[in-house]
Amino acid sequence: NAGVMQNPRHLVRRRGQEARLRCSPMKGHSHVYWYRQLPEEGLKFMVYLQKENIIDESGMPKERFSAEFPKEGPSILRIQQVVRGDSAAYFCASSLDRAKQPQHFGDGTRLSIL
Amino acid sequence: AQRVTQPEKLLSVFKGAPVELKCNYSYSGSPELFWYVQYSRQRLQLLLRHISRESIKGFTADLNKGETSFHLKKPFAQEEDSAMYYCALKVPGANNLFFGTGTRLTVIP
Repeated sequence: NAGVMQNPRHLVRRRGQEARLRCSPMKGHSHVYWYRQLPEEGLKFMVYLQKENIIDESGMPKERFSAEFPKEGPSILRIQQVVRGDSAAYFCASSLDRAKQPQHFGDGTRLSIL
Repeated sequence: AQRVTQPEKLLSVFKGAPVELKCNYSYSGSPELFWYVQYSRQRLQLLLRHISRESIKGFTADLNKGETSFHLKKPFAQEEDSAMYYCALKVPGANNLFFGTGTRLTVIP
């Protein structure tokens, strides 16, 4: 079991471009969580998804950010028209179920905006 | 609102010395508390959770509801313990973890 796979590991974008971050959960896991870590801060929750459904997006910025977890394929975190303040490490985690099982994290994607 | 505080950004101890990484939380109910660790060039991984009441790699952590703390302790630090440690809280019924800002532990040989 390769664990949670995130790609790319590093992503560089210019202001105004789009960034797409991918996350494949651990085998058998259907719950996916995205977190963002700004410099010198802890991880902050963004969104929680199950297959084809967004369950909780209370941590997502209202504009430019979206997430999906299609029936087939990885979960995608999409940031449109990126700005310098979007530079951060974005972590994905997955779990077997929501309540009892711990979350397992990927290596993260480090997004840099020029 | 829920909050996790790790007051030390950096902590250095000598090999063989006891180590304590502090974690305080604010939440009025009964949360679930975790310690995650990130070794150099590795991903964040779960170290221990308070409901398991277990010792992992010699580390223990006791939930003190009176002091709202969940400090991580090890009696004799090893060089391989050098890493970034994050305390995290989960509210019953919630979907996500609340993380502290982390403490970087360096064990000096």
